[in-house]
Amino acid sequence: EVQLVESGGGLVQPGRSLRLSCTASGFTFGDYAMSWVRQAPGKGLEWVGFIRSKAYGGTTEYAASVKGRFTISRDDSKSIAYLQMNSLKTEDTAVYYCTRLPSGYDLNNWFDPWGQGTLVTVSS
Amino acid sequence: QSVLTQPPSVSGAPGQRVTISCTGSSSNIGAGYDVHWYQQLPGTAPKLLIYGNSNRPSGVPDRFSGSKSGTSASLAITGLQAEDEADYYCQSYDSSLSVFFGTGTKVTVL
Repeated sequence: EVQLVESGGGLVQPGRSLRLSCTASGFTFGDYAMSWVRQAPGKGLEWVGFIRSKAYGGTTEYAASVKGRFTISRDDSKSIAYLQMNSLKTEDTAVYYCTRLPSGYDLNNWFDPWGQGTLVTVSS
Repeated sequence: QSVLTQPPSVSGAPGQRVTISCTGSSSNIGAGYDVHWYQQLPGTAPKLLIYGNSNRPSGVPDRFSGSKSGTSASLAITGLQAEDEADYYCQSYDSSLSVFFGTGTKVTVL
């Protein structure tokens, strides 16, 4: 069974950092691009960014709202994708979902499956 | 702020047909990029419902169908059922090298 499990969420003060992890199982993790999507409380879905597979350079793209503050990386040996979040703002408060693209490189695609999400609360 | 606009809510009686529109622009849907749809049941993660404008993943009932024309796309639910009550989101790639989700539509079964 293909499964994604996020971890690392919690309460953090504005300006601080937090790293989320997404542990994958049930498929060859290194073959796929991975992405992060967030959802603020009571709001809609917002794409955060993605990372291509190593076969396509492991390069990344980010939403304008997080560019320069968030970094996505991957450890194919452990089947884990990471979301490093720096200089956090109160507006970054959201449930963060990890999800997979059907190819290793093309962002013009759908997301499936999704993890259960992990809540990040940025507050003093 | 999303560049894909959906109606905030739609409703229908059991058995009826409802449609949800997703309006974009010449830099996303109108540029030929595919539209995908997700269903989010209360308190759960989104689930892929339609991919590549009109394709259903295995396990998705054929009551759900998608279409695309010009700068817009639509999701139709025929034979509405109580378990279809959820939030629905469209999604498309944009030539700004980004992905956008629609504003979301809440479907209520009367």
